Amino acid sequence: GQQVMQIPQYQHVQEGEDFTTYCNSSTTLSNIQWYKQRPGGHPVFLIQLVKSGEVKKQKRLTFQFGEAKKNSSLHITATQTTDVGTYFCAGDNYGQNFVFGPGTRLSVLP
Amino acid sequence: DSGVTQTPKHLITATGQRVTLRCSPRSGDLSVYWYQQSLDQGLQFLIQYYNGEERAKGNILERFSAQQFPDLHSELNLSSLELGDSALYFCASSVASLGSGRYEQYFGPGTRLTVT
Repeated sequence: GQQVMQIPQYQHVQEGEDFTTYCNSSTTLSNIQWYKQRPGGHPVFLIQLVKSGEVKKQKRLTFQFGEAKKNSSLHITATQTTDVGTYFCAGDNYGQNFVFGPGTRLSVLP
Repeated sequence: DSGVTQTPKHLITATGQRVTLRCSPRSGDLSVYWYQQSLDQGLQFLIQYYNGEERAKGNILERFSAQQFPDLHSELNLSSLELGDSALYFCASSVASLGSGRYEQYFGPGTRLTVT
């Protein structure tokens, strides 16, 4: 079945450093979504990428969708303590299934 | 506050029992999704309904079932509970359905189920 992997599993950064998490699907996706979950909270939608090679920016966050629509990345520039949480990618398999990656837990040291 | 409500917040029950979790989607949202989050399994998609009809199925056990009612609220029924079913169960809603193009899911606060 469809699998979605994410690396790294954990990332510890100093405040101000950059952070990147990578997401890879075993199958081609119709779209990919990114969510953030703070400790003790629920997942919060960040963005959806639909087109091959799509790049979207939200302030310090940059999202990319690979040309083959099987991988994606999230890059945060100059991390802040408010960026702490677990970042999940989730792949939509053309409406058949919706698979979350295991997430990357980010901690930011002040 | 996402606008999605889930009840109850916490549930403690014994093995072999049956429970029902309830979800009310955001006003105007037609899709409801159910997820299970446990420490060792991450966030698992269980099932999705769109306007009362089942649309997509993930890793949902046969002991689990769900439905979406005409008023669009949804219930997740878990039966013959096992210790391994202890987890956080999230409901999410969206305007459109999986595979339909552009949509975003709004998650509720979750129901924490503990099976003893």
